[in-house]
Amino acid sequence: GAVVSQHPSRVICKSGTSVKIECRSLDFQATTMFWYRQFPKQSLMLMATSNEGSKATYEQGVEKDKFLINHASLTLSTLTVTSAHPEDSSFYICSARGARLAGGGDTQYFGPGTRLTVL
Amino acid sequence: AQKITQTQPGMFVQEKEAVTLDCTYDTSDPSYGLFWYKQPSSGEMIFLIYQGSYDQQNATEGRYSLNFQKARKSANLVISASQLGDSAMYFCAMREGRNTGNQFYFGTGTSLTVIP
Repeated sequence: GAVVSQHPSRVICKSGTSVKIECRSLDFQATTMFWYRQFPKQSLMLMATSNEGSKATYEQGVEKDKFLINHASLTLSTLTVTSAHPEDSSFYICSARGARLAGGGDTQYFGPGTRLTVL
Repeated sequence: AQKITQTQPGMFVQEKEAVTLDCTYDTSDPSYGLFWYKQPSSGEMIFLIYQGSYDQQNATEGRYSLNFQKARKSANLVISASQLGDSAMYFCAMREGRNTGNQFYFGTGTSLTVIP
């Protein structure tokens, strides 16, 4: 199946710093990528939808100036948490779908997630 | 209204037994897709099975089958011959419409524990 990677898998940072998370589609071109946030023992909450070459569409309540998303190429999207605070500590997951994904219907493939801890 | 409802926060099953995880959905769009994902403690979301709204037959993938009852708007996941490695969180999800770029709506998940 399709492979999506995320880097880093885990990051610990001080309050006030910015953190960049990368999401890559390894064997397909991802026209659309999604960024989710998951708090412990809760479901995934969509933060934003990112289409290659255009501005991301943010869900209601998600601060676009705090969570910067860039989808500059068909294989890479980045999420930057600016001026991170302890309440931003969470599990961030990206997913991607692309033009030539086959099998399993039109599913999304998820990255392994990034666990962010802000001290 | 919730798009996806999973009413079982936790389930236990004996190893080698079958287990059904419930999922109901709410949509007025005639075209939609239903998905089940497994999330082990590592956090990775693992795709299990997909059912399209127009599919005539229930989807099956190995030990996983989806009991699709369109009139009841339910899409229960059946895991046969449970294994210890099946212990994980399971999420039901739905995508509305034909646009494959549309977002997924996730349920709150069911934690499955397989007992040896």
